[in-house]
Amino acid sequence: DGGITQSPKYLFRKEGQNVTLSCEQNLNHDAMYWYRQDPGQGLRLIYYSQIVNDFQKGDIAEGYSVSREKKESFPLTVTSAQKNPTAFYLCASSIDRDSEAFFGQGTRLTVV
Amino acid sequence: GQQLNQSPQSMFIQEGEDVSMNCTSSSIFNTWLWYKQDPGEGPVLLIALYKAGELTSNGRLTAQFGITRKDSFLNISASIPSDVGIYFCAGQRYTGNQFYFGTGTSLTVIP
Repeated sequence: DGGITQSPKYLFRKEGQNVTLSCEQNLNHDAMYWYRQDPGQGLRLIYYSQIVNDFQKGDIAEGYSVSREKKESFPLTVTSAQKNPTAFYLCASSIDRDSEAFFGQGTRLTVV
Repeated sequence: GQQLNQSPQSMFIQEGEDVSMNCTSSSIFNTWLWYKQDPGEGPVLLIALYKAGELTSNGRLTAQFGITRKDSFLNISASIPSDVGIYFCAGQRYTGNQFYFGTGTSLTVIP
């Protein structure tokens, strides 16, 4: 089955801890993205990667880090520097930067 | 970031009614996308538009790329309960630019 897999679906962490969200795709897409969604708001771009070993900051990158060591994988680390980490995080991929993106099912992160 | 305004913010309609929503911007876009998000899930692509004036259908859904290139419209005909969800527009201003997302239109269909 081709698609984008995010894990886990729900994640709880204590304040001050770093946490890594997983995103894997088997669509052979070059571009991958991380978005943050807060209630009543649209999707805001955190980081994106157009190709392996390359990634760029989006609009709200502060407090987050990513890596792109493999084409299939684009993990997101929410660091303790992120002031309001509780949110719904969505990973997406597309054939290239200019093509429509396809989304995973999301990870809901709650920091207590 | 780029602002995309969606309206209405929410809609409550009776099953069988038609629905219209739109997405506007102060900037010109060269691509418009429409997504639907079910609660607790990721958005699913409904329709993609690439040309000003383009009208594209996907079943009961029809979307249009506005002539001014600053807006796009989505219509749903004969709504059914499974149409419930949040509808997002997304736009790309030019090749290589990121896609910006609107704030969404929440649709509730009353059986």
